[in-house]
Amino acid sequence: KAGVTQTPRYLIKTRGQQVTLSCSPISGHRSVSWYQQTPGQGLQFLFEYFSETQRNKGNFPGRFSGRQFSNSRSEMNVSTLELGDSALYLCASKGQNNEKLFFGSGTQLSVL
Amino acid sequence: DQQVKQNSPSLSVQEGRISILNCDYTNSMFDYFLWYKKYPAEGPTFLISISSIKDKNEDGRFTVFLNKSAKHLSLHIVPSQPGDSAVYFCAALNYGGSQGNLIFGKGTKLSVKP
Repeated sequence: KAGVTQTPRYLIKTRGQQVTLSCSPISGHRSVSWYQQTPGQGLQFLFEYFSETQRNKGNFPGRFSGRQFSNSRSEMNVSTLELGDSALYLCASKGQNNEKLFFGSGTQLSVL
Repeated sequence: DQQVKQNSPSLSVQEGRISILNCDYTNSMFDYFLWYKKYPAEGPTFLISISSIKDKNEDGRFTVFLNKSAKHLSLHIVPSQPGDSAVYFCAALNYGGSQGNLIFGKGTKLSVKP
């Protein structure tokens, strides 16, 4: 069974630009969560999607948005990038009645 | 406010000895706890979990202890191996609540020296 796949692996953008990150969950998993990891801040929850609907949302500004498609693939968008958005963005999926998250390798975003 | 705290940013132990990683939480509604391990440039991988109805769960070299009254859990690794060197994240969940997402601590970087 293939794991969680995130693309691209690395991304370099400049301030003010926007970016879209992609995540394909494990086959059969309908829940996809996104986390931001920065040095010293751990993993901070962005949002969770389930069956194309946002089910939970963390404390991030509206510049951070996401969506989920009917095949459970998810995208995360960040608009008007700021230097502080530089981070590792992790996607994770989980199966039904299972709180264990399976993470992808992440997208390392650098904002210059 | 941090609901899950890992107060030690780093820990160094000798190969073969015990590693003890600690985690404290503030939300008494948390009833399920997990430990994840993360190597650089990789996503976190699940290590071990424990439900609040238990006070101990063991899996090979890894044991997690939960003290609900103290709102404290710990991960013991015995014996520690150099390959255990990684960042360890503690995570908590209110399984029955509406906020179903995992809340993570900031992590503890474990270095196991040969």
